[in-house]
Amino acid sequence: ELKVEQNPLFLSMQEGKNYTIYCNYSTTSDRLYWYRQDPGKSLESLFVLLSNGAVKQEGRLMASLDTKARLSTLHITAAVHDLSATYFCAVDPPHNTDKLIFGTGTRLQVFP
Amino acid sequence: DSGVTQTPKHLITATGQRVTLRCSPRSGDLSVYWYQQSLDQGLQFLIQYYNGEERAKGNILERFSAQQFPDLHSELNLSSLELGDSALYFCASSTGPNTEAFFGQGTRLTVV
Repeated sequence: ELKVEQNPLFLSMQEGKNYTIYCNYSTTSDRLYWYRQDPGKSLESLFVLLSNGAVKQEGRLMASLDTKARLSTLHITAAVHDLSATYFCAVDPPHNTDKLIFGTGTRLQVFP
Repeated sequence: DSGVTQTPKHLITATGQRVTLRCSPRSGDLSVYWYQQSLDQGLQFLIQYYNGEERAKGNILERFSAQQFPDLHSELNLSSLELGDSALYFCASSTGPNTEAFFGQGTRLTVV
């Protein structure tokens, strides 16, 4: 059974600093997604990573995928308060089962 | 706004009761997914339909059932409700297998 783990679970960081969130998954998959969730709100799609070595950037966030290591990273550059949210990675299991398995989430808090 | 509509937004009901949650997917999307989000279980995949047919099943209790209608909207039925069923229930839709899923605003269910 596919397992998806994120770390850290909680991240408190100062504005202007850089940090990386890690997403490890247990079985082969070529599709990985990153979502953002504000408290009590829906999940907003951030990135879709479809191949080994894929890198995507949007503003202060950059996501990458290493399918051989079964690892994705979400890098935050020069954090600002508006980035405070919970970030989830999600993986499509193999064998075309077409369901997303979510990680535990990383709760990010950015303070002045 | 993702284009996925869920109703109702909030629901409070008593133990033992039955409720129905409704989801209208984005225009053109054939796949509908249901997820449960609770503090202790995180985001759990429940079930997925594609063009009216059940395609994937996750950790869905026998007291829960779902269906997708010819107009592609979906309903999730929860019966014999227990306190532990209190959670945020999300619907998501996508164009088809292995494509990006977009989430609705969720239905917050409180069982008292």
